[in-house]
Amino acid sequence: NAGVMQNPRHLVRRRGQEARLRCSPVKGHSHVYWYRQLPEEGLKFMVYLQKENIIDESGMPKERFSAEFPKEGPSILRIQQVVRGDSAAYFCASSPEVHEQFFGPGTRLTVL
Amino acid sequence: RKEVEQDPGPFNVPEGATVAFNCTYSNSASQSFFWYRQDCRKEPKLLMSVYSSGNEDGRFTAQLNRASQYISLLIRDSKLSDSATYLCVVNEGSGGYQKVTFGTGTKLQVIP
Repeated sequence: NAGVMQNPRHLVRRRGQEARLRCSPVKGHSHVYWYRQLPEEGLKFMVYLQKENIIDESGMPKERFSAEFPKEGPSILRIQQVVRGDSAAYFCASSPEVHEQFFGPGTRLTVL
Repeated sequence: RKEVEQDPGPFNVPEGATVAFNCTYSNSASQSFFWYRQDCRKEPKLLMSVYSSGNEDGRFTAQLNRASQYISLLIRDSKLSDSATYLCVVNEGSGGYQKVTFGTGTKLQVIP
């Protein structure tokens, strides 16, 4: 079984550009979570999605950030008009109905 | 009070030592608990679930104290390869929706 896949693994953007981060959960997992981690800091919850639904987006910045988990295809975390402060590692995790989460390798975003 | 609290450390221990971490949680309705391990610049990986009766996996023992609202992780006979950050995770809710909260982690450095 393939684990959680994230791509790209590294992404470089200039200020003002858009960043799209993709996450393919473990096959059969319907719950997806996105986290952000700044250097030397802990994981910060961003958003929790089930297929086609956002369940909890309490950790998402109000502007520029959006997430989706369509019926077909990967979950997407989209950051519009990136700023230097968006530079971080973004981890996606998936889980089956009620169990532990399995993490992808992360996408490291660098904003120049 | 933070929802999930951990001592950030670092805990510097010699090889072969026994070390214990605690993690406190604020919501008495929390349902399930886990310990994850995160190596530098890598994704968190599940170390073990924490059951009410306690559980052991080799050198690792996890315990739950619902009355005092904390979980613990004990590592015996520490190895250099145990050096990592250990994350406590608390799930609230059950069924279709889980609120997952990660602690900020406790850093362990095992020294030769």
